[in-house]
Amino acid sequence: AQSVTQLGSHVSVSEGALVLLRCNYSSSVPPYLFWYVQYPNQGLQLLLKYTSAATLVKGINGFEAEFKKSETSFHLTKPSAHMSDAAEYFCAVSDLNAGNMLTFGGGTRLMVKP
Amino acid sequence: GAGVSQSPSNKVTEKGKDVELRCDPISGHTALYWYRQSLGQGLEFLIYFQGNSAPDKSGLPSDRFSAERTGGSVSTLTIQRTQQEDSAVYLCASSLRQGSGNTIYFGEGSWLTVV
Repeated sequence: AQSVTQLGSHVSVSEGALVLLRCNYSSSVPPYLFWYVQYPNQGLQLLLKYTSAATLVKGINGFEAEFKKSETSFHLTKPSAHMSDAAEYFCAVSDLNAGNMLTFGGGTRLMVKP
Repeated sequence: GAGVSQSPSNKVTEKGKDVELRCDPISGHTALYWYRQSLGQGLEFLIYFQGNSAPDKSGLPSDRFSAERTGGSVSTLTIQRTQQEDSAVYLCASSLRQGSGNTIYFGEGSWLTVV
């Protein structure tokens, strides 16, 4: 069975500071990993995804994530936070054993202080 | 349309009434998913349709919940005899096909409040 753990339900950073949102996964086969962002009162928007190509994946809005098999991690980073990055971020995993169904982590709410 | 479309965007219903939530997937997408997002519960898988195959209903929380997909396109999620714990955002999503790492696109959700 696949699962995802996001450490920290709330993360607060200052504008211009590094953003680091943590995600660890469990999967019995090579996973496909995703980060989605949800702005207030909106649906989920794909930030980036890992599908067994390059381990460092670049996404929209300056975000990137690195797949580390040895650590079973897929942490999301952005060098410099912007006020508009305030949102909830979800890490998700899917694999062939799960029929391509996404299993989500509990989400991390990012707050950006001026 | 350009994206996944859901209706209604907001629904307030009385406890015990039935509700229907509609989803129009992206044109050409054969896979369709329903998820539920509740406060403190995260995102919960409900049901998955892929083409003409039998749907994966493993996530439906009770027999009050059902869904159908007509003509391989539009889907309706029905909740019978609604309870207050059914209050949540119901998210529909679609993807081009079942397969490795296909991007799943989400609608903006139907916000259901049961009073």
